Amino acid sequence: NAGVTQTPKFRILKIGQSMTLQCTQDMNHNYMYWYRQDPGMGLKLIYYSVGAGITDKGEVPNGYNVSRSTTEDFPLRLELAAPSQTSVYFCASRLDSNQPQHFGDGTRLSIL
Amino acid sequence: KQEVTQIPAALSVPEGENLVLNCSFTDSAIYNLQWFRQDPGKGLTSLLLIQSSQREQTSGRLNASLDKSSGRSTLYIAASQPGDSATYLCAVRRTGANNLFFGTGTRLTVIP
Repeated sequence: NAGVTQTPKFRILKIGQSMTLQCTQDMNHNYMYWYRQDPGMGLKLIYYSVGAGITDKGEVPNGYNVSRSTTEDFPLRLELAAPSQTSVYFCASRLDSNQPQHFGDGTRLSIL
Repeated sequence: KQEVTQIPAALSVPEGENLVLNCSFTDSAIYNLQWFRQDPGKGLTSLLLIQSSQREQTSGRLNASLDKSSGRSTLYIAASQPGDSATYLCAVRRTGANNLFFGTGTRLTVIP
């Protein structure tokens, strides 16, 4: 199993551009999450999904969108990139309530 | 809202020493607590998951304890090694919630 795979690993965007951060997992996990990690701060939840077709907002959803058309994939969309969205983005998944979350290696995004 | 605090922010110890990392949380209505390790430029690796009904969990040289009533968890690392150098994060899942609330981590350096 590859676990949780995120692409790309690095990206530089210009203000106003859009992009999609990809996340896929091969563990047949129901729950998937997107977090952002800023320097000196804990991880903050952006969006999460409890299963295909179901998504919900986390603590910091503004400026982002998600979809969950399959169990495996949970892409994160930035429509109009802003400098405040410069961060490291982590995708995570877990099987059920009693299982730990598994994380991808992250996408480092800079908005210039 | 759940607040998670980890003190100290950084810790340096000589190789071979036993050490304790601390995590405190404000809302005792938790479902479980998870300890992670994060290496520079990498994702999070799950170390231990403690359910709210448990007092401790052990894995190799690691032992995590949970005291819900006082809002505290500790991660004990025995016989520290230079390879243990990393940032250690604790995260709490509240009862009825799907996401984790993270602390800002303790950066551990084990000096050979």
